[in-house]
Formats: sequence, C-alpha cells, structure tokens
Amino acid sequence: NAGVMQNPRHLVRRRGQEARLRCSPMKGHSHVYWYRQLPEEGLKFMVYLQKENIIDESGMPKERFSAEFPKEGPSILRIQQVVRGDSAAYFCASSPGQGSNYGYTFGSGTRLTVV
Amino acid sequence: GQSLEQPSEVTAVEGAIVQINCTYQTSGFYGLSWYQQHDGGAPTFLSYNALDGLEETGRFSSFLSRSDSYGYLLLQELQMKDSASYFCAVATGGGNKLTFGTGTQLKVEL
Repeated sequence: NAGVMQNPRHLVRRRGQEARLRCSPMKGHSHVYWYRQLPEEGLKFMVYLQKENIIDESGMPKERFSAEFPKEGPSILRIQQVVRGDSAAYFCASSPGQGSNYGYTFGSGTRLTVV
Repeated sequence: GQSLEQPSEVTAVEGAIVQINCTYQTSGFYGLSWYQQHDGGAPTFLSYNALDGLEETGRFSSFLSRSDSYGYLLLQELQMKDSASYFCAVATGGGNKLTFGTGTQLKVEL
C-alpha cells in the first residue's frame, strides 16, 4: 500500500498562474481532507471531500480556491491566479470512514512557492 | 470557533520522560488527537482520546480530561529520533474535521 500520494512534491508558480495539486488517497479510503501549513505554524483545515461531494469547505478562501474529488482519479486542489501569500505546504489526508478515531493518514505534501 | 494552546518548545535529554500539554476551547467536541511531524514532513497519527483517561501505546501515552478541556502526550524513554513537532488536534463537525494546535517542537539532547 503506497499510502497517500501527493504530487508534485514541489511546485513553483509565478504570480497570476494557476496551481493544481493532486492527491490520491490510500486504497480503501473514501474521505479526503486538505490542509495548509505555513512555516512554524500548525495545519489549517481547508476542505473535506468524499467521492463527488464536498462535505465541508469552511476553511477554503472564498475566491480563487476550489477542490474536487471525482468518481475516478485523484482529488485536486486548484488555486487560480496565485499570489505570494499562497506560498505554503499543502497536505492531503485520507481516512477510511467518518470520524477522527480512525486517524488520518497524511501525504508528504506539496510545497508551493509563488515567485 | 476552536482554539488550542500548547507550549511552543520543549527540551529534554535522551532517556527522560516528557509531557506535552494541550488545552482547548471548542464546541461540539468529539475527541483529542496527537500527531508527530518531522521537519515539515508528513504528520503521522499517534493517538486519539474520545473518553477521559489514559491511552497507552508503547512509549507514548495520551491523556484526556473533558471536564478540564485538557489533555497531554507523554513520551517515555526519549530517543533522539523523537525530536519533532507534536500537534494536538480537536475533532469537531461530526468528528470528521480536525483543528490543529500550533505545535510543540521537542528537542531531545544527549
């Protein structure tokens, strides 16, 4: 089992470009969560998805950010017209069911740098 | 909203015991989790407490007091490889959403 796979590991974008971050959950996991982490800070919840459904997007900025988890393929976090403040590590996690007693399995993250 | 407080940094020597405290304020509390993260790598799940009391897993134990909105992570027989950041996180929103604290950086010295 390869665990939660995120790609790319590092992504550099110029201001105004689009960033697409991909996450493949662990086999058998149908719940996906995206978190953002700034240096020396904790993980900030962004969005919780199940297949084809956004369950909770209360942590997503209202503009430029979107997420999806299609029936087939990985979950995608999309950031349009990136700005320098978007530079951060973006972590994806998955779980087999609802409820954190299962424990989240995190991917290795995507480090986004906006220049 | 939710807020969690934990010390920013703790230093201990190899072989010692260290306790990392976490206090929280939240609504709709389901449980308290602990995660370990090495140098910005993937956070890894350590423990989850939904009920009051102590949960033991090898060298690591976690405690929860719901009435005090307080928990701690206890690390015994510290090893150099335990040097990492440790995050407490509260589960809300039906238990599926984790809100993380800002983390405690543990430094283990010889």
